[in-house]
Amino acid sequence: TQLLEQSPQFLSIQEGENLTVYCNSSSVFSSLQWYRQEPGEGPVLLVTVVTGGEVKKLKRLTFQFGDARKDSSLHITAAQPGDTGLYLCAGENFGNEKLTFGTGTRLTIIP
Amino acid sequence: SAVISQKPSRDICQRGTSLTIQCQVDSQVTMMFWYRQQPGQSLTLIATANQGSEATYESGFVIDKFPISRPNLTFSTLTVSNMSPEDSSIYLCSVEGRAGREQYFGPGTRLTVT
Repeated sequence: TQLLEQSPQFLSIQEGENLTVYCNSSSVFSSLQWYRQEPGEGPVLLVTVVTGGEVKKLKRLTFQFGDARKDSSLHITAAQPGDTGLYLCAGENFGNEKLTFGTGTRLTIIP
Repeated sequence: SAVISQKPSRDICQRGTSLTIQCQVDSQVTMMFWYRQQPGQSLTLIATANQGSEATYESGFVIDKFPISRPNLTFSTLTVSNMSPEDSSIYLCSVEGRAGREQYFGPGTRLTVT
């Protein structure tokens, strides 16, 4: 069974601070995706990384895929209250379109 | 991205009854997915539904408990049968994106079983 462990599980920081969320697995994935979910809504795709070592930036968010394609990180610079939510990484399995979701990181930004 | 709607958005049901959740997509898609998200937790895949074939269930989920229909390329239903309080969860449907990697999710159905 493929597992994606995220850390930290919970994070509460002040507005303006920086943070990093980690997503780790012992399995290799075809691609790695990050989603954000807000209460009462489904997860919304933020980014997909495909190549080992790939870095993608989305405004204040920086995503990196590990060289071995087993792990990923999400770094947020100057966090804002609008960044509050549940962040989920998801690994795409080889050979099918199924996603394995990480354990989740619940982020709260305090104004 | 696809626009996905689910009905109902929430329901409170009694133990032993069944609830059918509908998922409607604004475009034709080959694969649809059903997930369960227990309170405060991540998403667990229940099954994959392709139009014109039987759904494929993940380990721990069976057709008798979670029958799925997929009558066309824009619609699917998931039934939660003979419910118990342990079935209280958010149920989400999703579809694959054009690139075939990412998924787009409906808003979810929040089910409470009493």
